Amino acid sequence: EIVLTQSPGTLSLSPGERATLSCRASQSVSSNYLAWYQQKAGQAPRLLIFGASNRANGIPDRFSGSGSGTDFTFTISRLEPEDFAVYYCQQYRTFGQGTKVEIK
Amino acid sequence: QVQLVESGGGVVQSGGSLRLSCAASGFSFSSFAMHWVRQAPGKGLEWVALISYDGTGEYSPDSVKGRFTISRDNSKNTLYLQMSSLRGEDTAVYYCVKETSMGHYFDSWGLGTLVTVSS
Repeated sequence: EIVLTQSPGTLSLSPGERATLSCRASQSVSSNYLAWYQQKAGQAPRLLIFGASNRANGIPDRFSGSGSGTDFTFTISRLEPEDFAVYYCQQYRTFGQGTKVEIK
Repeated sequence: QVQLVESGGGVVQSGGSLRLSCAASGFSFSSFAMHWVRQAPGKGLEWVALISYDGTGEYSPDSVKGRFTISRDNSKNTLYLQMSSLRGEDTAVYYCVKETSMGHYFDSWGLGTLVTVSS
């Protein structure tokens, strides 16, 4: 069973800054079937990125994903106030533990 | 637009049972695999169960295997989760989730229903 490890646990940044989140898999992710979700407090998760680097419908281009094999990166180029949330990576039935992006 | 509305959550005693429902609308329910994903208070996301589009395949992790049963009624556009032998660690918000047409990803989530298991 694959294990996804996200880092850092918490990222403290200011609006306008760049956020870089990491997701490392315990074994190679086939066909880059890796997704990223955003979850705001009190809300359900929302799909942002699928296939490691493809933005879901309606997702702004400040959100991007990259990586392959076992190492994946999620980037928010310039943080907007509404981007402060928890972000999860996912490989089908397995989720990472999440990275909280908080206001510094 | 896709809507997933969960119901059936509440407070149940340890060892008890509960059935969750999820009413789906806005898409061809019978064409998509569906899942339940839960989130314990202040914790991350945990996949709980999967059912194939036609109900012939069901899967769940060891943490709930033998206690939770996922099912669906495509004539009623409804997904179910029958939970029994509930434990304190089952306390969570339970989300009904739609899988994408390509598989592997979850593109629509309900608002969730809270299940609290008391001792």
